[in-house]
Amino acid sequence: DAGVIQSPRHEVTEMGQEVTLRCKPISGHDYLFWYRQTMMRGLELLIYFNNNVPIDDSGMPEDRFSAKMPNASFSTLKIQPSEPRDSAVYFCASSRGLGATSTDTQYFGPGTRLTVL
Amino acid sequence: AQSVTQLGSHVSVSEGALVLLRCNYSSSVPPYLFWYVQYPNQGLQLLLKYTSAATLVKGINGFEAEFKKSETSFHLTKPSAHMSDAAEYFCAVTVSGGYNKLIFGAGTRLAVHP
Repeated sequence: DAGVIQSPRHEVTEMGQEVTLRCKPISGHDYLFWYRQTMMRGLELLIYFNNNVPIDDSGMPEDRFSAKMPNASFSTLKIQPSEPRDSAVYFCASSRGLGATSTDTQYFGPGTRLTVL
Repeated sequence: AQSVTQLGSHVSVSEGALVLLRCNYSSSVPPYLFWYVQYPNQGLQLLLKYTSAATLVKGINGFEAEFKKSETSFHLTKPSAHMSDAAEYFCAVTVSGGYNKLIFGAGTRLAVHP
């Protein structure tokens, strides 16, 4: 398996522009997670999906952020409009997930480094 | 609510020396605990995990961690550091109720010098 795939690896944009980050989870994984990593706040869970359905989006910072998972093999995280404080590394992760007491491993993608000027 | 505290944002050791990275957790229910490693410009990779079986857990690259309930700790160790161990290490705990939601510590950056 190719692992979790994220694109683009690097994105530089100007404030006010729309940014779309993409993720392809590992085939057969029912859970997909979006994280943000910054120096100030460390790793934060933004949102996660189970079987393409958003389960918990309490980590999404504000309405400018939105995430979708139209099918089991694709998810997007969109920021519109982008702001300089959105600059961070965004990771996607996936796992099989076995239920309420799951200890299944989350596999991370390589991340997208976003810079908003 | 669960939380994780990693003591020491930076640790520096000599090659061949013992590596000790500290992690303390807070949880009202038995936790599941993880150590992840992040090499520069890469995603996180699972080193090892504690899932209520053996309290001493062995992971990849010679790392191990011991779950100590009385101390609410899950420290990561390696007997002899290698230059390739230089990376950032994250301790994580699952949230009560499951759904595999991880809470990460702030991370510890390990430097290994000759």
